Amino acid sequence: GAVVSQHPSRVICKSGTSVKIECRSLDFQATTMFWYRQFPKKSLMLMATSNEGSKATYEQGVEKDKFLINHASLTLSTLTVTSAHPEDSSFYICSARLPQNTEAFFGQGTRLTVV
Amino acid sequence: AQKVTQAQTEISVVEKEDVTLDCVYETRDTTYYLFWYKQPPSGELVFLIRRNSFDEQNEISGRYSWNFQKSTSSFNFTITASQVVDSAVYFCALSEAGSGGYQKVTFGIGTKLQVIP
Repeated sequence: GAVVSQHPSRVICKSGTSVKIECRSLDFQATTMFWYRQFPKKSLMLMATSNEGSKATYEQGVEKDKFLINHASLTLSTLTVTSAHPEDSSFYICSARLPQNTEAFFGQGTRLTVV
Repeated sequence: AQKVTQAQTEISVVEKEDVTLDCVYETRDTTYYLFWYKQPPSGELVFLIRRNSFDEQNEISGRYSWNFQKSTSSFNFTITASQVVDSAVYFCALSEAGSGGYQKVTFGIGTKLQVIP
């Protein structure tokens, strides 16, 4: 199957700093990528849909200025958590969908800890 | 709106027992897709199966089998002869075949399966 690579897998940052998470589709072009957040013992909640070459579509309740998404190319989308706070600590996971295909491939996830 | 319900939050079974994970979904679309994913402790999501709404045939893959019943809006997952390596959180998910170029996936809350040796 298609491969989606997410980096870093773990990151610890200080409160007030920003951290960038990358999501790459390694062997296919993804016009659309999705970013999810998973709280402990909770389901995955869609944060936003990242569209190559255009602005991301955010789900209700997700702060656009807090979680910056950039889909600069057909193989790369980035999520930047700005001015991180401890409550931003979570597991973030991206997925990419093959064109003309409904199967979504997921990255390995990034565990963010804000101290 | 689409919704996925996994009523079992945690299940414990003894190794070699069979176990069924329940999934009930809600959607207004006639065309949709159902998924099961496995999330081991390491965190990554492992794709197990995709089923479209027009294919109600049950599927078997090794020790895994899936029972899709549109009449009850259920897509249950059975593991036969469970093994310790099956211990993980299992998510059922739904994607409607919407317009606009993308179909977001809605996940259930997940069922944590613990297989005891």
